[in-house]
Amino acid sequence: EDQVTQSPEALRLQEGESSSLNCSYTVSGLRGLFWYRQDPGKGPEFLFTLYSAGEEKEKERLKATLTKKESFLHITAPKPEDSATYLCALPGPHSGYALNFGKGTSLLVTP
Amino acid sequence: DTAVSQTPKYLVTQMGNDKSIKCEQNLGHDTMYWYKQDSKKFLKIMFSYNNKELIINETVPNRFSPKSPDKAHLNLHINSLELGDSAVYFCASSRTRRGETQYFGPGTRLLVL
Repeated sequence: EDQVTQSPEALRLQEGESSSLNCSYTVSGLRGLFWYRQDPGKGPEFLFTLYSAGEEKEKERLKATLTKKESFLHITAPKPEDSATYLCALPGPHSGYALNFGKGTSLLVTP
Repeated sequence: DTAVSQTPKYLVTQMGNDKSIKCEQNLGHDTMYWYKQDSKKFLKIMFSYNNKELIINETVPNRFSPKSPDKAHLNLHINSLELGDSAVYFCASSRTRRGETQYFGPGTRLLVL
């Protein structure tokens, strides 16, 4: 059965303190791994898609990487506005490719 | 222009009532989805439509019935609402059904009293 596990559940960082979020997955045939950001009271906002091991993508202070078993979302010198829940998702086992989400990492960056 | 929009944003209703949530996307996408986010913030797929045709129907009570009048719209009708239906419902769309990026609406917060 396809599974997505995110860690840690919650992370508190000081502004400027770099860290990484983890997404471990098991899937039969990777069809993409998606990272989203969700702010309180809003819908998930797309960040990155990674399709093959070794692939990396960057956007401002965020960098996503992918191996055959896990993905990391590296946050470099975070700012308070990076505080949000970060969600990892993979297209599910069903033919419709709906996303199978992890439970998310709630990130709080304090000044 | 809002890419994926939902109405209403908030919905407070009594147990046993019937309610509908509407979703529209102006991205020209073929595939639309309904997800449910429970109180623990876990997002789970409910339904998926491709070009007005139902392609996913997860284990969801029969009281939930999606309808797609055209490929830009996907509505969710809920009969005989129960306390456990309280959640945030998100609509999403993607260009095709082949694992492409999904774009989410702002959510509809449903509270059943």
